Amino acid sequence: GDSVTQMEGPVTLSEEAFLTINCTYTATGYPSLFWYVQYPGEGLQLLLKATKADDKGSNKGFEATYRKETTSFHLEKGSVQVSDSAVYFCALDSGGSNYKLTFGKGTLLTVNP
Amino acid sequence: EADIYQTPRYLVIGTGKKITLECSQTMGHDKMYWYQQDPGMELHLIHYSYGVNSTEKGDLSSESTVSRIRTEHFPLTLESARPSHTSQYLCASSKQGAKNTEAFFGQGTRLTVV
Repeated sequence: GDSVTQMEGPVTLSEEAFLTINCTYTATGYPSLFWYVQYPGEGLQLLLKATKADDKGSNKGFEATYRKETTSFHLEKGSVQVSDSAVYFCALDSGGSNYKLTFGKGTLLTVNP
Repeated sequence: EADIYQTPRYLVIGTGKKITLECSQTMGHDKMYWYQQDPGMELHLIHYSYGVNSTEKGDLSSESTVSRIRTEHFPLTLESARPSHTSQYLCASSKQGAKNTEAFFGQGTRLTVV
């Protein structure tokens, strides 16, 4: 079945540091890939997505590239801010009539001033 | 901004009580979901629905039940709450069909059973 493995946290960085959160997946066919973010006390919201191989999703300075050859979708940001402190979830959707998102376990990021 | 709402945001209730967590969306989405989020942050799908009168069990067994009488409403009920039900519950919705459609989440209900 489908699965998502993402880097275990917590991750603690200083402001303006470079961020990478690794995500790899196992899926049948050609899934769509997502990164969701959960700020403290909130629900999840979509951060970015990519629907086919070599697509790059980007939003709010975050980027992730859909790499079919390595089955990866790593999240990166060149310079993190305190306001980026949140839990980040990698997810995939294989499509079909029984669509449901498969999530990774989440990575807690804390950015210190 | 997502148009999906959960009430209450926080609930503290005694063991044995019956509770219903409300979830409503105004986007006309056919698909709706309930996730249980443990303190370690991991999300577990406990129920989902493809549309009116459709309900399915998720990946994690749960003693809760759901109903889908109207497209916009997907309440979750616990007939007899127990301390083991203490958790964060997240409701979500998405469009039917296309695999790259975004899921929209409510803000969650944090349930504590004492």
